[in-house]
Amino acid sequence: DAGVTQSPTHLIKTRGQQVTLRCSPKSGHDTVSWYQQALGQGPQFIFQYYEEEERQRGNFPDRFSGHQFPNYSSELNVNALLLGDSALYLCASSLGVRSSGNTIYFGEGSWLTVV
Amino acid sequence: DQQVKQNSPSLSVQEGRISILNCDYTNSMFDYFLWYKKYPAEGPTFLISISSIKDKNEDGRFTVFLNKSAKHLSLHIVPSQPGDSAVYFCAASGEGSNSGYALNFGKGTSLLVTP
Repeated sequence: DAGVTQSPTHLIKTRGQQVTLRCSPKSGHDTVSWYQQALGQGPQFIFQYYEEEERQRGNFPDRFSGHQFPNYSSELNVNALLLGDSALYLCASSLGVRSSGNTIYFGEGSWLTVV
Repeated sequence: DQQVKQNSPSLSVQEGRISILNCDYTNSMFDYFLWYKKYPAEGPTFLISISSIKDKNEDGRFTVFLNKSAKHLSLHIVPSQPGDSAVYFCAASGEGSNSGYALNFGKGTSLLVTP
């Protein structure tokens, strides 16, 4: 049973560039959420996708956008990269949007370094 | 605004003894709480959860206690093993809260279990 898979594992980008990160949810899961974890901090919620729509969004600027495909996989796009965007980006998957009573699984993350 | 707080950045415990990790929250609308363990270079791994209708949940060596009146929860690991050495994150959510289905994380507690 494949867990949550993310790609790429590591990448380095230059300020102002754009980046796309990818996530495949755990088998049987239909909801994907993205989190940003800066060094020394806990993960911060970016947004959640369900039925190919953004269902909820955290306190992140419009430079952060996403997409969910019919097979439930998802992409996170960040435009006009800033140095402060350097972080571990985590994908979480679940069955349904509700968190209560739900087990939410995380991937291993994509390390983004902006130089 | 940090709604979930883990006030101990680190904890050191001897193998075989009990590890107690603490977590406080400020939002009374949170009704579901989770603990994750994270090794370096890996994503968070789900450990145990508890709903606000309970005050205790056990799973093997792991027990989570919830004190709603104090807005406090704790994770007990008995007996502690060297393989438990990791960063532990507390997370909370509540559909009636201002963050909806999103998980709100603390900054984590680094547990070191020494032989």
